[in-house]
Amino acid sequence: RKEVEQDPGPFNVPEGATVAFNCTYSNSASQSFFWYRQDCRKEPKLLMSVYSSGNEDGRFTAQLNRASQYISLLIRDSKLSDSATYLCVVTYTDKLIFGTGTRLQVFP
Amino acid sequence: NAGVMQNPRHLVRRRGQEARLRCSPVKGHSHVYWYRQLPEEGLKFMVYLQKENIIDESGMPKERFSAEFPKEGPSILRIQQVVRGDSAAYFCASARALSTEAFFGQGTRLTVV
Repeated sequence: RKEVEQDPGPFNVPEGATVAFNCTYSNSASQSFFWYRQDCRKEPKLLMSVYSSGNEDGRFTAQLNRASQYISLLIRDSKLSDSATYLCVVTYTDKLIFGTGTRLQVFP
Repeated sequence: NAGVMQNPRHLVRRRGQEARLRCSPVKGHSHVYWYRQLPEEGLKFMVYLQKENIIDESGMPKERFSAEFPKEGPSILRIQQVVRGDSAAYFCASARALSTEAFFGQGTRLTVV
């Protein structure tokens, strides 16, 4: 089983739609959780940290469920500029472990 | 504030040559990670370093690859006797402390011809 698993997609959604991604992790001792965004052929950029209490940043909401070992990202009112690959990241001991990413394509 | 700086951005090497990739972390960050990304694939962990120490190199191939993060100067990822399969994007990230957010450089795209 992979340490961090994501549905690769692609998720094709119209502008204005709400879309949700999930990510599962295998190690219950994982410590910190993040969502990153990667545009084609560019470096990953931190989108947001994920906390057990859930956190929101504008149109983006992240949730962590430690009991079920998954994290989620909700994007409301999708924009064309949200098209990218979204990477789930989990820390365990000294590693940042990346999922392979979920591709989102927002169309007009 | 300067972010993570990687150079060169693009590097072309012939088979058998050496490639040196440099990474200067965010000022004040003492934790550096190196990742490799093949086209259409995810990021693969290679090595985690703190100043003057390799903490975890479990993702590094056993031969030809080495990394360092000296007391002064950038972190270096060195690939000796490059082969075509080494062609990839190599990203460096730095963090202030363990398990905190990491910030990435723009990457070095290595092409072996």
